Amino acid sequence: AAGVIQSPRHLIKEKRETATLKCYPIPRHDTVYWYQQGPGQDPQFLISFYEKMQSDKGSIPDRFSAQQFSDYHSELNMSSLELGDSALYFCASSWTGGANTEAFFGQGTRLTVV
Amino acid sequence: AQSVTQLDSQVPVFEEAPVELRCNYSSSVSVYLFWYVQYPNQGLQLLLKYLSGSTLVKGINGFEAEFNKSQTSFHLRKPSVHISDTAEYFCAVSGAGAGGTSYGKLTFGQGTILTVHP
Repeated sequence: AAGVIQSPRHLIKEKRETATLKCYPIPRHDTVYWYQQGPGQDPQFLISFYEKMQSDKGSIPDRFSAQQFSDYHSELNMSSLELGDSALYFCASSWTGGANTEAFFGQGTRLTVV
Repeated sequence: AQSVTQLDSQVPVFEEAPVELRCNYSSSVSVYLFWYVQYPNQGLQLLLKYLSGSTLVKGINGFEAEFNKSQTSFHLRKPSVHISDTAEYFCAVSGAGAGGTSYGKLTFGQGTILTVHP
């Protein structure tokens, strides 16, 4: 079965650079969620999109922005990168049309800022 | 707002022994409850979930959990663990009744590292 695809899997950037993370949800899923998991930390909710509109916002820094496109894939844009942005970034997707739906997580993108 | 506390950061256990990973939550609204497993350098895989109905829920890989509303707990159990169960386990909650998008907006606990020894 198709899963949530994230690219790239690994990314190394220097301080003050920008990074773009991509997420391709499971086909027919209409909602995408972004999470940040720092080293030894639990995942923290950043932002979510439903039908291409922002549906909820968590602890996302102002330097980050995200959007969901017409094909439902999503991109997380991160500017002025800081060392503390080094983390595993997860994308998850779900379909709101079902009665007992759940969020399916991708493998994550490991961002290292040097 | 919700919060989740996993009472044990690490749980070592021998193979074929039973295990319980403890999770307590706090919320001012009704919640959905989840347990996820994360293997090293991998994504999060759903083990089981409680949305409504029977308070004892069964998941994959022989795991089960019981929702106790009065004690605000959702402890994860397995009667006999295997080496392959070694991983980090996260308890998570989301607010119920907030619409379909609530399933994926999760507040996670700090995680419990389960290590199964031969």
